[in-house]
Amino acid sequence: GQQVMQIPQYQHVQEGEDFTTYCNSSTTLSNIQWYKQRPGGHPVFLIQLVKSGEVKKQKRLTFQFGEAKKNSSLHITATQTTDVGTYFCAGPPGGGADGLTFGKGTHLIIQP
Amino acid sequence: KAGVTQTPRYLIKTRGQQVTLSCSPISGHRSVSWYQQTPGQGLQFLFEYFSETQRNKGNFPGRFSGRQFSNSRSEMNVSTLELGDSALYLCASSLSGTTNEKLFFGSGTQLSVL
Repeated sequence: GQQVMQIPQYQHVQEGEDFTTYCNSSTTLSNIQWYKQRPGGHPVFLIQLVKSGEVKKQKRLTFQFGEAKKNSSLHITATQTTDVGTYFCAGPPGGGADGLTFGKGTHLIIQP
Repeated sequence: KAGVTQTPRYLIKTRGQQVTLSCSPISGHRSVSWYQQTPGQGLQFLFEYFSETQRNKGNFPGRFSGRQFSNSRSEMNVSTLELGDSALYLCASSLSGTTNEKLFFGSGTQLSVL
């Protein structure tokens, strides 16, 4: 079945440093979604990318969808303590229609 | 507009027991999905319901079941609990469950099996 791999699993940064997480799918995706889960919280939708090569920005967050629509990245510029959490990418189900497939997430830890 | 509501928030059960978790979706949302979240496996899809019908099912044993009511509220049941069932169970709702819709998650039910 479809697999969505995400790296790194953990990322420690100093406050103010940049952060990037990468997502790779074993199959071409019609779209990709990104979610953020704060410690002790639940996943919250951030954004959806649909077009090949698409780039979207939300303040300090930049999301990219690869040309082949098999990979994506999330880049945070000048991290702040409020960015702490786990960032997940998720792709639509494969041919077996088994629900949105989530990567295992990247845990962002920020040291003040 | 109220968000997705899951009850109970915490549950402690012993092996062999069964448990029922409840989820009330956002008003107007007809699709409800259930996910199991563990530190080792991440978010894993359990099943999705739309208009009282299970449309999709993940790779979980038959001990995991669910249903959806006419008001779109959903329940999931786990029978004969095992230690490995300890996890955060998340419910998510969307308007119609199409693959380009964003999911709205509830706060989850933290299940501990002793």
